[in-house]
Amino acid sequence: EIVLTQSPGTLSLSPGERATLSCRASQSVSSSYLAWYQQKPDQAPRLLIYGASSRATGIPDRFSGSGSGTDFTLTISRLEPEDFAVYYCQQYGSSITFGQGTRLEIK
Amino acid sequence: QVQLVQSGAEVKKPGASVKVSCKASGYTFSTYALHWVRQAPGQRLEWMGWINAGRDNPKYSQKFQGRVTITRDTSASTAYMELSSLRSEDTAVYYCARDGCRVGDCYSPTNWFDPWGQGTLVTVSS
Repeated sequence: EIVLTQSPGTLSLSPGERATLSCRASQSVSSSYLAWYQQKPDQAPRLLIYGASSRATGIPDRFSGSGSGTDFTLTISRLEPEDFAVYYCQQYGSSITFGQGTRLEIK
Repeated sequence: QVQLVQSGAEVKKPGASVKVSCKASGYTFSTYALHWVRQAPGQRLEWMGWINAGRDNPKYSQKFQGRVTITRDTSASTAYMELSSLRSEDTAVYYCARDGCRVGDCYSPTNWFDPWGQGTLVTVSS
């Protein structure tokens, strides 16, 4: 099973700042089969990025994904108040597993 | 718009079974796979299995094999997840989610998830 480790566990930033979230896989993720989700309290996860770098429909362009192999990154270029949430990565190249999440909180 | 609406919260005793439904609308039900994912308090999301809604050939995560059954009723555009032999560690929010690719459109049979149902809280307590 591919284990995904996200870092940092918690990221404290201010609106307008840039956020960089990391997702590292225990083995290579084939064909960049990696997605990112945003989850707010008492809500279901929402798809942000799939295929490591493709934005889902309706997702603002301040969200971008990059990476390949075992190292992937989600970048939020300028944080808006509604971006403070928990973010999960998911790989779907070998079965399906999720990272443990990064909590993005207001500083 | 595409929507997945799940059944309501359940409270079960240890050893019992629970069956959660997921009704799809806004698209042709048989053209996408549906997945089940759970989230225990403070834990990461955990994939349980999936079903190709057009073929009724469910596949399960090894962790839940033997305890989970995923079915679908195409006439009702509804998928079901039944989990048996419940224990306290099964207390979680259970989500259904549609596969990101229409069947046959992507190389991989399982992909990203979009959209998700609203979640169903299952509490296992004596």
